[in-house]
Amino acid sequence: DTGVSQDPRHKITKRGQNVTFRCDPISEHNRLYWYRQTLGQGPEFLTYFQNEAQLEKSRLLSDRFSAERPKGSFSTLEIQRTEQGDSAMYLCASSRSGETRDTQYFGPGTRLTVL
Amino acid sequence: GENVEQHPSTLSVQEGDSAVIKCTYSDSASNYFPWYKQELGKRPQLIIDIRSNVGEKKDQRIAVTLNKTAKHFSLHITETQPEDSAVYFCAASKATSYDKVIFGPGTSLSVIP
Repeated sequence: DTGVSQDPRHKITKRGQNVTFRCDPISEHNRLYWYRQTLGQGPEFLTYFQNEAQLEKSRLLSDRFSAERPKGSFSTLEIQRTEQGDSAMYLCASSRSGETRDTQYFGPGTRLTVL
Repeated sequence: GENVEQHPSTLSVQEGDSAVIKCTYSDSASNYFPWYKQELGKRPQLIIDIRSNVGEKKDQRIAVTLNKTAKHFSLHITETQPEDSAVYFCAASKATSYDKVIFGPGTSLSVIP
């Protein structure tokens, strides 16, 4: 499978714990995005990387959230001191930069449940 | 910032009928408008997109129209089939150096056999 992959697919944690998710983009894609999706809503933009540089963070992303893409390939999203409001599907997408707007391909998501 | 609205939130059609989903956007600088289909428990998948230099694009049973002046775009599905049942999201993106995509809230389409 050469698509975007995410790990884990499901995560259940207790409030106050830290969690980390991983995203592996399509290999030739230099752009990587994180979104959050709650039930009945569209994906909400969280942050974006071009290669290893994090170019934008949404105001939705509090100080408890941090994302990295150290070698410009896979990315991690960490949530510290999780809260029940963090429960959502966390989606990763990737695309390839070019002269035209390239399609974003989504991963299967990591469903986080905070008890 | 950009805001994308989408109507209706739910839509039921008989198999074989057409379905139309309408979206509006707020930022006149947006110039890329993808549509994603998300089946229950699955990832969003791009089904069609349109760029601001064209007014209409068609791919088999799916077509999208764009009215830049009015800042609205629509998805048209003809000859609907039960497998078209899903949540459809419209989205908008600006022609900046990267593609931050703003999604609408989604339309849940049910095709009744």
